[in-house]
Amino acid sequence: SAVISQKPSRDICQRGTSLTIQCQVDSQVTMMFWYRQQPGQSLTLIATANQGSEATYESGFVIDKFPISRPNLTFSTLTVSNMSPEDSSIYLCSVVVAYEQYFGPGTRLTVT
Amino acid sequence: DQQVKQNSPSLSVQEGRISILNCDYTNSMFDYFLWYKKYPAEGPTFLISISSIKDKNEDGRFTVFLNKSAKHLSLHIVPSQPGDSAVYFCAASVLNAGGTSYGKLTFGQGTILTVHP
Repeated sequence: SAVISQKPSRDICQRGTSLTIQCQVDSQVTMMFWYRQQPGQSLTLIATANQGSEATYESGFVIDKFPISRPNLTFSTLTVSNMSPEDSSIYLCSVVVAYEQYFGPGTRLTVT
Repeated sequence: DQQVKQNSPSLSVQEGRISILNCDYTNSMFDYFLWYKKYPAEGPTFLISISSIKDKNEDGRFTVFLNKSAKHLSLHIVPSQPGDSAVYFCAASVLNAGGTSYGKLTFGQGTILTVHP
């Protein structure tokens, strides 16, 4: 199994600012995934982060808006840049361990 | 384009009865399907999965049925318990031979299940 923690658990931010979300896993994993759940919507994959290489972004998401770092096999950060109210969402980190996918508790972001 | 759809936003069931949650998909490339359960302020937790080579998978009170021709899957919970009250997400994936699509899930919108005592 995998235990995932995220910081912060929630935040309220002003438009135009940036927020960095941290994800820590209790085991070493090759790939980490960042998802977003907008209000009333399904979870959507933002990007896949491999250690030692650039993150791979899904259609509709770009590195300038959501830069990702992956300094080691247990840690990753997602930055939401130049925020607007449309970025208000729950952001979740996810990993695959032994063919099972685990999710962190999420970071609830509100942009005012 | 919503490739995975859960058309019922909510479902209310009496304790002890069967809960049936439904999910439809449009992408015929999907070959692996999962159900997740989510409580408030927590991340989704894995419940049960099914590969496209099967039409049924059971795990205790939970059974998932897959109808590939109809592109439809359902989750049956029998008997339902008040602790099952949560949001249930259907998810789908394309697993190629190398398994490199692991982690890339397409989710439905979720169904809120309420089990009344």
